[in-house]
Parts: sequence; C-alpha cells; structure tokens
Amino acid sequence: AQKVTQAQTEISVVEKEDVTLDCVYETRDTTYYLFWYKQPPSGELVFLIRRNSFDEQNEISGRYSWNFQKSTSSFNFTITASQVVDSAVYFCALSEAGDSSYKLIFGSGTRLLVRP
Amino acid sequence: SQTIHQWPATLVQPVGSPLSLECTVEGTSNPNLYWYRQAAGRGLQLLFYSVGIGQISSEVPQNLSASRPQDRQFILSSKKLLLSDSGFYLCAWSRDGPWGEQFFGPGTRLTVL
Repeated sequence: AQKVTQAQTEISVVEKEDVTLDCVYETRDTTYYLFWYKQPPSGELVFLIRRNSFDEQNEISGRYSWNFQKSTSSFNFTITASQVVDSAVYFCALSEAGDSSYKLIFGSGTRLLVRP
Repeated sequence: SQTIHQWPATLVQPVGSPLSLECTVEGTSNPNLYWYRQAAGRGLQLLFYSVGIGQISSEVPQNLSASRPQDRQFILSSKKLLLSDSGFYLCAWSRDGPWGEQFFGPGTRLTVL
C-alpha cells in the first residue's frame, strides 16, 4: 500500500542554520510523483516542487534543494540559511500513475520553527 | 489564470446541525476535485474526490457527503455534525493526470461545539 512517512514531527533551528526535512515513501507503482507543500500559519497549502520517479536529479531553487533517492525511497528537502519566514508546516506527498483518481497521499507533516 | 474559492472561511456550528461547505474553481475545465480534512496539529486526510460531474468517491466512511452539481463546483455536506467533525477543510483541484500538482483553496475552519 502507498504511504508517506515524515518522521520529524517538529524541528526548531536558529536563523541562518541549514535544515533538512526527511520524507520516506512506499509504493508498488513504478511510475509515481512526489511533491512538497508548505503550509504557513494562514493555512493554505503552497506547492513547492514535483518530481517524477524517472528523474533522480537533485533540484535547487534558491535556498531550497531536494534530494530524491529511489534506492532508499526518500525525497528529502533542505533549506539553506533558514529564515524566520520559512517557519511553517511542510508536507511531503505521493501520487501514483496507476491510481485513476490522481489523489495525493500526504505525510503527517513536519513543523519547522525558525527562531531569530 | 486559475483560482479556487472556498466559503465560508470560518464556521462555528452546534452538534447535530447541518453543514454545507462550498468550493468553486475558476479558469479551468473538467478539473479533478478533492476535499481534505486536517485535524488540529495533524496531517491531511482525503475525504472525497471527483473526476467529473456527479462522480464522487469516498475515501473514509463518515457522516459527511460530497456532491458535484457543476463542473467546477464541489460541495461538502453533513446532515448532523459531530464533535469529531471539527477541523480545517481544504478543497483542491488538479489537472488530469498524476503528474499535476494539486492547487489548494484557502480552507474553512470548522468548530463544532
């Protein structure tokens, strides 16, 4: 069965520290898609990135970077030089090509607190 | 551009009262639509999804129901609310295909007293 695990419930760092949010997934599908979303205190989920199962290249977008490793079924998210505005709950999610609903399976989220 | 609306933004209802939450999408056609619930401090739980008008699939048995009377309208309802229905309800839409990210609405914060 498909599953997404975010073992870190809450992380607290001081501004300018680097922080990595872990995500481990389970799926039987060979074609699938992984996502990261950010949920600021306002509540609305903001899309950050999408990765398909055939593309293991790491991606960097400004201070954000993502490390996708199929061998360990992980899709980790690193924020470099964290800022107070990065404080939010971050969700990792999985979508399977074999699921006609295309629904997202979410992890339980990691709450990141960046202290000044 | 596409936008997704939800209302109301907040709602306080007594136990046993009915519920109707509405979600509409603009700027796209034939979207997949989803209702999620997020309990306080927890992750998102998929409640219903719809791939077309009148087509509703339920993920979790509960006293909630969903309807899609129009292509870009998705309604979440209940005849009698329970205390456990309290939470943050998010509507989302996606383009056809699992590769597409889901776009979320601003959410409705429901408190059942």
